[in-house]
Amino acid sequence: NAGVMQNPRHLVRRRGQEARLRCSPVKGHSHVYWYRQLPEEGLKFMVYLQKENIIDESGMPKERFSAEFPKEGPSILRIQQVVRGDSAAYFCASSPAGQGYGYTFGSGTRLTVV
Amino acid sequence: KNQVEQSPQSLIILEGKNCTLQCNYTVSPFSNLRWYKQDTGRGPVSLTIMTFSENTKSNGRYTATLDADTKQSSLHITASQLSDSASYICVVSAKGGSGNTGKLIFGQGTTLQVKP
Repeated sequence: NAGVMQNPRHLVRRRGQEARLRCSPVKGHSHVYWYRQLPEEGLKFMVYLQKENIIDESGMPKERFSAEFPKEGPSILRIQQVVRGDSAAYFCASSPAGQGYGYTFGSGTRLTVV
Repeated sequence: KNQVEQSPQSLIILEGKNCTLQCNYTVSPFSNLRWYKQDTGRGPVSLTIMTFSENTKSNGRYTATLDADTKQSSLHITASQLSDSASYICVVSAKGGSGNTGKLIFGQGTTLQVKP
C-alpha cells in the first residue's frame, strides 16, 4: 500500500528547458495538491486538482506553469522555459476527500535550474 | 488575512530534554489544526490533527494542545531524541464553503536540532 509517489526525486534542467514533475497519489485518493518550498521557506500552495478538474489554482504563477490530473495516470506539474527562480522542492499531497483526514505528502521533487 | 505564525524559528536542545513549539493563527472559520514533522529532504509527515473541540492530543512523545479561544497551539516534545531533529510545521485548515478547495495554511516551521 504505497503512499504518494513522486518522480523524479531530483531533476536538473538548463534555463529555458521544460520540467515535468509526476505525482501518483495514494491508491483510492482522487484529490491531489501541489506545493512549492523554496530554500529556507515554508510550503506554499500552488494548485488543487480532482480527477480531470482543476479546483483551485490560485497559487500557480500565471505563466509557464500548468498542472493536470488525467483520468488515468499520475498528476503532472509542468514548468515551461524554466528560470533559476524555479529551483525549489515541489511536493505533492493527496487525500480521499478535499481538506479532510488522510492527507498524505510525497517525498518531493527537487528541481535545480542551472 | 489567514496566517499561521510559528515560534521560535529555530531551536537547539540537548538529547533527553523537553521542548515546546508555539503556533498562533488567524485563520477563520477554523476547521482543524495539524502538526507535521519534516525531515531534511523528505515530505511532511502528520503528527497530530485537532478539531475545534479538542484541547490536547498525543502521539507518543509528542503532545499537541489547542486553545481555540486565543487561537494558539503548542507542540510539546518529551525526552527528545536525535531523530527528533527536523522542521515542525503548524498547518491550519479553514472551513470551506460550497467550494471547498482543500487549501491549507502553512506556518514557516520551527527547525529543531537535538544535540547529543
